[in-house]
Amino acid sequence: QSVLTQPPSASGTPGQRVTISCSGSASNIRANTVNWYQHLPGTAPKIIICRDDQRPSGVPGRFSGSKSDTSASLAISGLQSEDEGDYYCSTWDDSLNGWVFGGGTKLTVL
Amino acid sequence: QVQLVQSGAEVRKPGSSVRVSCKASGGTFDSYTINWVRQAPGQGLEWLGRFIPVFGTSQYAQNFEGRVTISADQSTHTFFMEMTSLRSDDTAIYFCARSGVGRTYWFDSWGQGALVTVSS
Repeated sequence: QSVLTQPPSASGTPGQRVTISCSGSASNIRANTVNWYQHLPGTAPKIIICRDDQRPSGVPGRFSGSKSDTSASLAISGLQSEDEGDYYCSTWDDSLNGWVFGGGTKLTVL
Repeated sequence: QVQLVQSGAEVRKPGSSVRVSCKASGGTFDSYTINWVRQAPGQGLEWLGRFIPVFGTSQYAQNFEGRVTISADQSTHTFFMEMTSLRSDDTAIYFCARSGVGRTYWFDSWGQGALVTVSS
């Protein structure tokens, strides 16, 4: 059981916009910034959104993040086939005194 | 260019222990932490703990306190994760990842992962 709650799956067709939610609590999402990772098969995870809504250098503008109270969201616009993979939200939890992850959302591009 | 290179795949029997290494190069690490994250088959990512070079200390996730030891040879920028009393559900890919020291940072560089298989 993950500390952060994500939907297990999401899907969309090429060109569509997809959003993935991440629900937490006061000790994690409300208190700290949220990061999003993309994990493609056979590779190491990659940071795509940091500090709630910041895109690291090299990440396409199609990826965006937002946060409100104890929830966060990742949006992917102009969906492409290479976006297919797993997406994880993560943040620091003040009660657990450590990093926590969501259970991951498997994105399928139809 | 920061690079984290991990040791290879391991096979262990239940009840035994394993040590995975992570050698860092190409960047600064004194002001960062080296974390260990695992992914079991069909499961999500799980944080095990971290080593904080500037303090020379380790910190552990509650679920792994007492069973995982994270250490470092700072002279060679090599970091280690040792897990004892292995069970079949410890079968997973173990990643090392760098992050800043504070809570507002993120895992910006990752190792390639090391598969640990626990089987009798």
